[in-house]
Amino acid sequence: QQQVKQSPQSLIVQKGGISIINCAYENTAFDYFPWYQQFPGKGPALLIAIRPDVSEKKEGRFTISFNKSAKQFSLHIMDSQPGDSATYFCAASITDSWGKFQFGAGTQVVVTP
Amino acid sequence: NAGVMQNPRHLVRRRGQEARLRCSPMKGHSHVYWYRQLPEEGLKFMVYLQKENIIDESGMPKERFSAEFPKEGPSILRIQQVVRGDSAAYFCASSPQSQGRAEAFFGQGTRLTVV
Repeated sequence: QQQVKQSPQSLIVQKGGISIINCAYENTAFDYFPWYQQFPGKGPALLIAIRPDVSEKKEGRFTISFNKSAKQFSLHIMDSQPGDSATYFCAASITDSWGKFQFGAGTQVVVTP
Repeated sequence: NAGVMQNPRHLVRRRGQEARLRCSPMKGHSHVYWYRQLPEEGLKFMVYLQKENIIDESGMPKERFSAEFPKEGPSILRIQQVVRGDSAAYFCASSPQSQGRAEAFFGQGTRLTVV
């Protein structure tokens, strides 16, 4: 049973456009929601993370929106660049279980020049 | 300040052989996590270890897989009698001991191919 559902599976966006990736979770005990970026042949790298006490967090061109009542959160990549082409994973965990994440299936983002 | 180090990066084993994957956590990190990533899929949690202790192995297959994190040296994920279905990328992550921190840093992975 997949506890974190991620969509879309893939995304093509033009340079300068906005990439939006959505995730939904089931376990209300989750209290930490990171997004990881993975390039081919590399390990996942933490991009940005949020806790449920805030509804939005912005770091540069990356923004997480969080809807606790709907149990959904999303990643917005503003002004997308070709260097953003990668696979993005949402994840969820419980603080008491550091590093034990439930990952979404991933979204492959391609930014065209 | 080296990151999480995994070796080997690529490993080829014949069916029935043993695979041994190593992970050295970041300096100062005493929590290690192993994940498996099948092609076109997300990462699946396998096991969580602290020094000399297995804390959570709820994601480990019941047979052929084992993990350890000794007092000295890297964490080891061992797969005995490998089968083709074990072919995957195996990632190790580490996190600091300080309470309240939930960031985990991943290594570059070991890509296991069973032929």
